[in-house]
Amino acid sequence: GQSLEQPSEVTAVEGAIVQINCTYQTSGFYGLSWYQQHDGGAPTFLSYNALDGLEETGRFSSFLSRSDSYGYLLLQELQMKDSASYFCAVRSLTGGGNKLTFGTGTQLKVEL
Amino acid sequence: NAGVTQTPKFQVLKTGQSMTLQCAQDMNHEYMSWYRQDPGMGLRLIHYSVGAGITDQGEVPNGYNVSRSTTEDFPLRLLSAAPSQTSVYFCASSYESRGEEQYFGPGTRLTVT
Repeated sequence: GQSLEQPSEVTAVEGAIVQINCTYQTSGFYGLSWYQQHDGGAPTFLSYNALDGLEETGRFSSFLSRSDSYGYLLLQELQMKDSASYFCAVRSLTGGGNKLTFGTGTQLKVEL
Repeated sequence: NAGVTQTPKFQVLKTGQSMTLQCAQDMNHEYMSWYRQDPGMGLRLIHYSVGAGITDQGEVPNGYNVSRSTTEDFPLRLLSAAPSQTSVYFCASSYESRGEEQYFGPGTRLTVT
């Protein structure tokens, strides 16, 4: 099976940079995804790493290191609207890659 | 495009009742899935479908049934509701099963008393 661990909560100030880590145990997977979810809302896709290295999308970047079983989401120039929960997710190689497993999520609080 | 739609938004059931949560997408996506989200436990896969007529179990399938008669629709049936099924249910779709981006519906908040 797969398990993905994330810190439960992270707090940062507006304008700062914050990193949300995701460590995983899995026998193999296609890639690491990140989703954002505001309170009461649906998850929305942020980023995907199929290969090791950094992927940049505007203020958000995501990193993957398969050798270290580790990834992170980097949020720059934090804004109040970034206060939300962030989930990492992997799609396992087993079962045809049809099953997506999510981490337990990190609640980010952005303060003034 | 409406994207992924779910009905109802809220539902209260008594233990033992049955009901169907509706999910539809208008993006011609082959892959659809159902998740439940409980506090502190992230999203857990209930059932998924890789195309019309094809469904399979996810991580927590017990107590739920699905069918996929069309590409657009993927209803989730609760056979005999239990308090342990109190949760928020999300339907999601993607172009293919290995699609990078899953599109989620707005969710159904279900309470079983």
